[in-house]
This record gives sequence, C-alpha cells and structure tokens, in this order.
Amino acid sequence: EVQLVQSGAEVKKPGESLKISCKGSGYSFTSYWIGWVRQMPGKGLEWMGIIYPGDSDTRYSPSFQGQVTISADKSINTAYLQWSSLKASDTAMYYCARRAETTEYFDYWGQGTLVTVSS
Amino acid sequence: DIQMTQSPSTLSASVGDRVTITCRASQSISSWLAWYQQKAGKAPKLLIYKASSLESGVPSRFSGSGSGTEFTLTISSLQPDDFATYYCQQYNSVPLTFGGGTKVEIK
Repeated sequence: EVQLVQSGAEVKKPGESLKISCKGSGYSFTSYWIGWVRQMPGKGLEWMGIIYPGDSDTRYSPSFQGQVTISADKSINTAYLQWSSLKASDTAMYYCARRAETTEYFDYWGQGTLVTVSS
Repeated sequence: DIQMTQSPSTLSASVGDRVTITCRASQSISSWLAWYQQKAGKAPKLLIYKASSLESGVPSRFSGSGSGTEFTLTISSLQPDDFATYYCQQYNSVPLTFGGGTKVEIK
C-alpha cells in the first residue's frame, strides 16, 4: 500500500527556521517525483515545487522559488520542505503528494502538516 | 502561468441530484486536467485524470469531460459522502495550477 506520512504540526515564531518531512512507503521511492502543495487557511491549493528523489532534480514554482527549499534523502525514503526564516504568511497546511508515473497529476497525498507562524 | 477558473464557487444540492462543475483554462491544455475531492480537514483525493479517466476505486457516478479550455466534472447522483470541495488542476505546463475550488453543500 502506497503511503506518504508527514511530520506533525509545528508552531513557530517569525524568523525561525523549519524543516518538515514526508516519508514514502509501499513503492519505489526513488522512481516517482514528490511534490509539495500549500493550502492557506480557508483557501485553495497551490503547487510549490517538486523533486525526483532518484537524483534530487528539483523544480520550483516561480511563486515559491527562493522562499523554500525542497530536498530528499533517498536512503530513508523521505522528502523535505524547509524555510530559513518563517513569516506569518507561511501559516498554512502543507501537503506532500506523489506524482503519477510519466505524468504530472498527483495520485497519492500525505495527510498534511499544519505550520503556524505567530509571535 | 495558466489560470484555472472554476464555477460555481459554491453549489447547494440534494442527495440524488445531478451536479456539474465547470473548469476553464486561460489557454489550451489539451486533456491534461485532473479533478480532486477534498473533505474538510483531509488531504485531496484524485478522482479523474486526463480529463475523463476515472481513477481506480472512484465510484462510477463521477465522470469528467472536455478538452482544450473547457472541462466539466459531473456527479450523476449526489450521495451523502460527496459533500466536499472539488478542485481542477492543469498539468499541461509548469507551474501546475489549480482552480479555486467548488464547495458542494447540502441544500
């Protein structure tokens, strides 16, 4: 069974750093792209970027380029999303999702990680 | 970026109703469109890909159609489990973009 299990909710202060994770199981982790999607409170879905864990090839949405870093550790089947300096506007639910083979939609999703940034 | 516009933003319907949601792309995306269902507090779930292909395990009351710039998601007979928010997503080009969502509420 394909599963993506994300790390737990975080509460941070503005200016702090953060790294959240997404662990894949039940499939060949290095053979499928993993994407990250933001959902701000009460809002829709936004594609942030995507990584191929096999070689760490990474693509970012222009809206998120330079604002976050996507990485992966294929030895432990885990993808990451990190911030070096959080802002209140980063408060959102963040989902990781597996990109379907040879195409660009997402067929499996993690349960989401809620990030709250507040002073 | 390709803009995706969904209508309506909210839809009130009763169990058994036929429901149609529309998604329009700002430029042609061929058939590179997916539909997702999101229930409150949960992750999105894939329903339809390539505009009209039903994901495995998804009930056959869900169907998708369209190509180019106009697409529809139809629920043939609305069930209690279907009250949720629905999103379209284009995957013709990066950055991938989603529609704003359509919330299906109980009438």
